[in-house]
Amino acid sequence: GAVVSQHPSRVICKSGTSVKIECRSLDFQATTMFWYRQFPKQSLMLMATSNEGSKATYEQGVEKDKFLINHASLTLSTLTVTSAHPEDSSFYICSARDLQGDYNEQFFGPGTRLTVL
Amino acid sequence: AQSVSQHNHHVILSEAASLELGCNYSYGGTVNLFWYVQYPGQHLQLLLKYFSGDPLVKGIKGFEAEFIKSKFSFNLRKPSVQWSDTAEYFCAVKGYQAGTALIFGKGTTLSVSS
Repeated sequence: GAVVSQHPSRVICKSGTSVKIECRSLDFQATTMFWYRQFPKQSLMLMATSNEGSKATYEQGVEKDKFLINHASLTLSTLTVTSAHPEDSSFYICSARDLQGDYNEQFFGPGTRLTVL
Repeated sequence: AQSVSQHNHHVILSEAASLELGCNYSYGGTVNLFWYVQYPGQHLQLLLKYFSGDPLVKGIKGFEAEFIKSKFSFNLRKPSVQWSDTAEYFCAVKGYQAGTALIFGKGTTLSVSS
């Protein structure tokens, strides 16, 4: 089946530093990847849609300069949290849509737990 | 506004009990509906989906869901749960058009005791 990986799975950083999270589709190509944020006991909130070779589309209220997204290849999208603050601490999940598959179906990564001290 | 509501925050059942998790959505237009499961320490996995046709949809591991358009509901059911069904369950809705985003409910934690 379609597998999506994320790296790192867990990261702790100091306030003011930047953190990069990678999302990879391992056995399929993905022109579109999605980045979600999940707070404890809350639903997944879509942050942005990442399109290969073009700029990401951000949801309302998400700061594009704060959360930089790069989708440089058909198997890799990165999310960089710039100048991280404690309020950015959260669980970040990516998903990917198979270029050859059903456009309504997304495959999810295992998530990255970010803790900002 | 588009939204998904899951009525039960935490459900506790004994093995072999029947399960029904409620899901209601608010969305203008034709929708696609999904149930995802997240086992402890694992990523989200698709349980089942409804796009069109028979409103009773069967998924993996004995789960099924029924789409009732008049009630804007897509409840998840399983006749007899197992300890291994302990997980977080998310209902999600997506507009029919390509490019529309998945909107998730807050999730329901299911705990099954053996």
